[in-house]
Amino acid sequence: GAGVSQSPSNKVTEKGKDVELRCDPISGHTALYWYRQSLGQGLEFLIYFQGNSAPDKSGLPSDRFSAERTGGSVSTLTIQRTQQEDSAVYLCASSHNDSPAYEQYFGPGTRLTVT
Amino acid sequence: GENVEQHPSTLSVQEGDSAVIKCTYSDSASNYFPWYKQELGKRPQLIIDIRSNVGEKKDQRIAVTLNKTAKHFSLHITETQPEDSAVYFCPRNQFYFGTGTSLTVIP
Repeated sequence: GAGVSQSPSNKVTEKGKDVELRCDPISGHTALYWYRQSLGQGLEFLIYFQGNSAPDKSGLPSDRFSAERTGGSVSTLTIQRTQQEDSAVYLCASSHNDSPAYEQYFGPGTRLTVT
Repeated sequence: GENVEQHPSTLSVQEGDSAVIKCTYSDSASNYFPWYKQELGKRPQLIIDIRSNVGEKKDQRIAVTLNKTAKHFSLHITETQPEDSAVYFCPRNQFYFGTGTSLTVIP
């Protein structure tokens, strides 16, 4: 079946502009995660959605970052007033349960470059 | 909260040798121990996992062992091949992956 998809695959933007990154999780998966990975760095947790519960935003690095998930499916990560340090690969993952005992399926990521 | 330490941070082995990566954890209630692999330029993927009621699990050349008394679990890769070169993660909780272990298999 279809895996997690993300769009765009690459995004180049000028410093100060807003960007929106999209994630389409696997159908039926209730949990959705956003991560950031800078060059050569580990996976940095950003935000987590589970069903209709309030999202866990504890990983968002600043108030310029926000995310929403509509209808329990598609999610959009928005970065306002982008800075050069926001340049990274943004990965989305989904799993079919919010328990930690379930596999996360990752999308291919969006490579964001802020010039 | 849960604290997981992963060692080593980098590892180089000759092709054909074995590689072992270890993770220690602090929460006695932990009951699920996954390992993810991320090849260069690709997305992370689960390669093997183990639950607390099992001491060892094997899948071809990879295995995971769990020592609940000592609170650590290890990834074992035997007969390493160049395609095993990647970063390996043992995430704590659901979403704290950390920086992982960078494994390089030298041909």
